[in-house]
Amino acid sequence: GIQVEQSPPDLILQEGANSTLRCNFSDSVNNLQWFHQNPWGQLINLFYIPSGTKQNGRLSATTVATERYSLLYISSSQTTDSGVYFCARRQTGANSKLTFGKGITLSVRP
Amino acid sequence: DTEVTQTPKHLVMGMTNKKSLKCEQHMGHRAMYWYKQKAKKPPELMFVYSYEKLSINESVPSRFSPECPNSSLLNLHLHALQPEDSALYLCASSQEGSQVYLPQHFGDGTRLSIL
Repeated sequence: GIQVEQSPPDLILQEGANSTLRCNFSDSVNNLQWFHQNPWGQLINLFYIPSGTKQNGRLSATTVATERYSLLYISSSQTTDSGVYFCARRQTGANSKLTFGKGITLSVRP
Repeated sequence: DTEVTQTPKHLVMGMTNKKSLKCEQHMGHRAMYWYKQKAKKPPELMFVYSYEKLSINESVPSRFSPECPNSSLLNLHLHALQPEDSALYLCASSQEGSQVYLPQHFGDGTRLSIL
């Protein structure tokens, strides 16, 4: 089956620092999402990015489909960025399921 | 994603109880999903409904019974659950098209505890 691998598994940052989170795929990408799950369990859509680069405030994401990876950049991190970051991709075919990576746990310290 | 609404937010029930989780979306999406998430794990797919018909059942035990009364509503009926069923249950929805792969939008989840 499709493999989705995220790295690093855990990350601790001082407030204000920048970071890069990586997501690798075992096959070609045609649908990719980045999520942030906050400490209260809310799973928040960050980006839908099957290819190219998108930016939203302090966050940006890049997917290089031909090389089977995606990166999430967090700049000037804040304590509210803490939580788990998941990337997920969808198999081809209608009604197909979303395969999640194991997540990256980010802790931003004041 | 507050466009998908789940109720209740928290539920505590005994193993002999019957309860239901509810999910509602008004984005015109025609696919809806139930996921189960245990602590420190990613969400795992349980069921997919497409155009109000069950299209995927990921070998979920029969004590979980999904229902899609209309295109905006998705229920998950619970009966005779086990303590290991305690988890966060997430609902999601997406537009559907045979050649288009579109993002899923998640509700805030129901945190379920089985006593």
